[in-house]
Amino acid sequence: GESVGLHLPTLSVQEGDNSIINCAYSNSASDYFIWYKQESGKGPQFIIDIRSNMDKRQGQRVTVLLNKTVKHLSLQIAATQPGDSAVYFCAENGDYGQNFVFGPGTRLSVLP
Amino acid sequence: NAGVTQTPKFQVLKTGQSMTLQCAQDMNHNSMYWYRQDPGMGLRLIYYSASEGTTDKGEVPNGYNVSRLNKREFSLRLESAAPSQTSVYFCASSVGGSQETQYFGPGTRLLVL
Repeated sequence: GESVGLHLPTLSVQEGDNSIINCAYSNSASDYFIWYKQESGKGPQFIIDIRSNMDKRQGQRVTVLLNKTVKHLSLQIAATQPGDSAVYFCAENGDYGQNFVFGPGTRLSVLP
Repeated sequence: NAGVTQTPKFQVLKTGQSMTLQCAQDMNHNSMYWYRQDPGMGLRLIYYSASEGTTDKGEVPNGYNVSRLNKREFSLRLESAAPSQTSVYFCASSVGGSQETQYFGPGTRLLVL
């Protein structure tokens, strides 16, 4: 999900289909990555994380893939449900000391 | 266990007014953070506190001050609000450091007229 100014990239999927949300991160020194879900009017909610010594991690209905060669993360959501509609964004820790850098996000819209 | 709580939920200010945003966490986390979120942009770090008694500037600190009152509480103060500070403000906490997940509060929506 690259920034396009005020308009977030949007992914529309049919209910029951699988969703794949992508994130290009910027710092090759990053070794910890987090995916967050943000519903309208709410704070970001932790979904899943992955460290750089792994290339795949699975949770309940979600899978994160990490490709360090091309600095790319993806979040896969299986059997997408209406409750999955939200903005999803990734965070990387880089070499920013205590801190993370957050992507602008991708809006997931689940169609009935 | 409420996690991270923020008050107020919504505030309208006039240019030049001051206010303090409150944040508290009950997870015994060492580190706390203040971010702002503007439309179409990622979260930007304003200030953070790595541990009780310390605070440091983030990416966008101008116009803000913070206080780490104790381990639980971290407040953000706008001394003289400007329209450019209209945003949604999120507080977060973590066990500590950039190898640990940050957990966010519900946000404070601030409108500066």
